[in-house]
Amino acid sequence: EPEVTQTPSHQVTQMGQEVILRCVPISNHLYFYWYRQILGQKVEFLVSFYNNEISEKSEIFDDQFSVERPDGSNFTLKIRSTKLEDSAMYFCASSGGTVPLNIQYFGAGTRLSVL
Amino acid sequence: AQSVTQLDSHVSVSEGTPVLLRCNYSSSYSPSLFWYVQHPNKGLQLLLKYTSAATLVKGINGFEAEFKKSETSFHLTKPSAHMSDAAEYFCVVSDGSRNQFYFGTGTSLTVIP
Repeated sequence: EPEVTQTPSHQVTQMGQEVILRCVPISNHLYFYWYRQILGQKVEFLVSFYNNEISEKSEIFDDQFSVERPDGSNFTLKIRSTKLEDSAMYFCASSGGTVPLNIQYFGAGTRLSVL
Repeated sequence: AQSVTQLDSHVSVSEGTPVLLRCNYSSSYSPSLFWYVQHPNKGLQLLLKYTSAATLVKGINGFEAEFKKSETSFHLTKPSAHMSDAAEYFCVVSDGSRNQFYFGTGTSLTVIP
């Protein structure tokens, strides 16, 4: 069964460093998403991406964050200068193509630890 | 605004007994509702979805959920728990016009042998 793949599973970084979290969505999907879950809190929507541009973003997704689909398969989330409060689990999801838009398929997540 | 409340952060059942995980939602639109399950070190897997068709929805692994508009609820049930059901369960509401997902805080299900 096709699945969304995220790498790395765990990323440790120093405060102020840039990190890039990588995702390979399901191949025929058209919509891509990032969510995050701070430990003990809800999963929160960050951003959605369609047709090579951001379609929606939350208030969390400030200028420190950016997303890119650099080639036909990867979808990345970049945090320019990490803060301690960016420590969280980050989930990538995709939808569309031959499945309804309102069903999102999620990866296993990348745990980001900012020291 | 859309939101989801999962009433229990932890539920513990004995193997072979029924499972009930509770979810209440708030939505300004006709909602799409989902239950996802997350096993350790795995992605969020779709269990079932409600998208304004039948109010009783059957999902994978014997799970069901009933959409009750009058109670704004979408509780997840299973007649007989299995050890492999032990996981974190998330109730999710979607704002159809923007396709954003709004998650509950999750319910951790423990199944006792």
